[in-house]
Amino acid sequence: AIRMTQSPSSLSASTGDRVTITCRASQGISSYLAWYQQKPGKAPNLLIYAASTLQSGVPSRFSGSGSGTDFTLTISCLQSEDFATYYCQQYYSYPQTFGQGTKVEIK
Amino acid sequence: EVQLVESGGGLVQPGGSLRLSCVASGFTFSNYWMSWVRQAPGKGLEWVANIKHDGNEKYCVDSVKGRFTISRDNAKNSLYLQMNSLRAEDTAVYYCARKLYGSGSLDYWGQGTLVTVSS
Repeated sequence: AIRMTQSPSSLSASTGDRVTITCRASQGISSYLAWYQQKPGKAPNLLIYAASTLQSGVPSRFSGSGSGTDFTLTISCLQSEDFATYYCQQYYSYPQTFGQGTKVEIK
Repeated sequence: EVQLVESGGGLVQPGGSLRLSCVASGFTFSNYWMSWVRQAPGKGLEWVANIKHDGNEKYCVDSVKGRFTISRDNAKNSLYLQMNSLRAEDTAVYYCARKLYGSGSLDYWGQGTLVTVSS
């Protein structure tokens, strides 16, 4: 199985900050990567697919980049509603696997 | 509006069985691959199984092979997960999700149903 490793596991940031989360695959996955946001007690919400394509309705402050094994999710100007846990997911091969998550907390 | 509503969760003893259901509305269910994803309490997300739109292809994670079966009834707009030989480590919120057309990402999710395996 392809292992997805996110870093950091958690971070503290302030409203208005630029935040970057990285996701590394244990083998190449081309651009078959998605990013999700999850708030406590809620289902995940798709932000980015195909590594860099913004899902419909997602604010443009979210962006994704990368291909192969190294990927990033960037939030350009953190808003209060962005404090949540973020997960990457590879869908290059089965079993589809998620990263362990990155919790973005208020500084 | 796309909606996915899961049901069937609950408390079950180790070795027992449960059948989860997910009723879909707001889209043409028979055109989409569907997935089950679970999340143990306080833990991350784990993909469990996928099923093709016509039910002819199925995939699941190794830890549930031989115990869980994904299925669907397109006439009823419903997705199922039959879970047998349940273990404590299967305790989780189980989400039903729709695969984005042409992608492996999951664009709509249900609210989840909690399965607790305990004696």
